[in-house]
Order: sequence, then C-alpha cells, then structure tokens
Amino acid sequence: GENVEQHPSTLSVQEGDSAVIKCTYSDSASNYFPWYKQELGKRPQLIIDIRSNVGEKKDQRIAVTLNKTAKHFSLHITETQPEDSAVYFCAASPPSGTYKYIFGTGTRLKVLA
Amino acid sequence: NAGVTQTPEFQVLKTGQSMTLQCAQDMNHEYMSWYRQDPGMGLRLIHYSVGAGITDQGEVPNGYNVSRSTTEDFPLRLLSAAPSQTSVYFCASSYGATGGTEAFFGQGTRLTVV
Repeated sequence: GENVEQHPSTLSVQEGDSAVIKCTYSDSASNYFPWYKQELGKRPQLIIDIRSNVGEKKDQRIAVTLNKTAKHFSLHITETQPEDSAVYFCAASPPSGTYKYIFGTGTRLKVLA
Repeated sequence: NAGVTQTPEFQVLKTGQSMTLQCAQDMNHEYMSWYRQDPGMGLRLIHYSVGAGITDQGEVPNGYNVSRSTTEDFPLRLLSAAPSQTSVYFCASSYGATGGTEAFFGQGTRLTVV
C-alpha cells in the first residue's frame, strides 16, 4: 500500500524567511496530493492541493511542487508570519478516491518573531 | 451549514468499556472516514465508507467497528477499550469525485482510556 514520508518533523524559521516541507510517496498510482494545516487543538484544514497532471501550484504565499518521476512533492511558504506556526501534513490519495488519504507524520513549523 | 460534527469532544473510558463516537455531515458527501492522531504518527486511517451500506478497513482497524446506514452518519464503535486506543479521533467527509477532492474534518474527539 501507499506510504508517505515527511521531513522535517520540526522546523523553526525567522519571521519573513521561507519554509520548505518535503514529502515522498511510494505508490506511483497516487494522483492527488493535498496539504493540511492544523493549529493547536483544532481540526486539519486544507491549505493547498495539487493533482498529478500539474507540476506546480501557487496561492499567494503558499506553493506546492510535484515531481512525479521522483515521487516527491513539497510545500513552500514564503514571507512566513507568526500565524503560519502550526503542524502541516502532506497526504497522497489513490485514483479510486479521497476516502483513503495516507498522511505523512507531520511537520511542526515555528515562526519566530 | 454545520459541516462535519463529532460528539463527544472529550471522553474518558475505563479499560474494557465500549462506546460509540458519533460523526454526522450535512454536505451530502459520499465518502466518510475515521482517522486517529497520535503524537509523531500523523493521521492514520481506521475505517472508511464510500456510501451508505459500504464500509472497509483502513491502516489500523483492529478494535474498531463502523457502519453506515445513512449518507449523513458514520459512527465508530470501540468494542473493548484499551489504553492503546487513547488518541484524538477525527472523522472526515469528502465529495466522491475522481481526481481528488478536499476532505472536511470534524473537530475531533479526545479519548483517554485508563
């Protein structure tokens, strides 16, 4: 079955700097890759996603890149702000549907003011 | 629009007790899933359903049962609680479109088994 590895587990950056979180997946059939942000004590919420027919997607300060050949995808946050501090999860989903997300183990991002 | 609602938010059980975690969604989503979240282990899929009357096992199904009699509801049953089931449980739902769609999560149930 699918396996998703996520690195790093913790990441501290200075406010205004960029942050990059990387994930690799094992099942080449996976075709949907969302990123979720989870603030302390809250539910995970989608911040950006990418499909396998796209190499890059951007939404304001957030971007995701996908390398299907290498089976890895990355989250890029530019101009980080204190409110970006949270746990970020990547996930991979098979073509059959998003009821079977396989999540990475999460990255705790701390943005230092 | 309430989205995905879980009850209870907090629960303490004694070892061996059984209970049902409730999950309801009002978005007419076909897909519903249960995850458990443990420190350092991310979100792991317990059971999922692709529609009323259809359920299947995820990564960590042992000790849990599910059923889906309606589109809206997807309860998770702990048969005989064990300390290893202490966790935060999230229910999620999504629209059944191919190609991937957003999963909406409930607020979570924080379960402690003593």
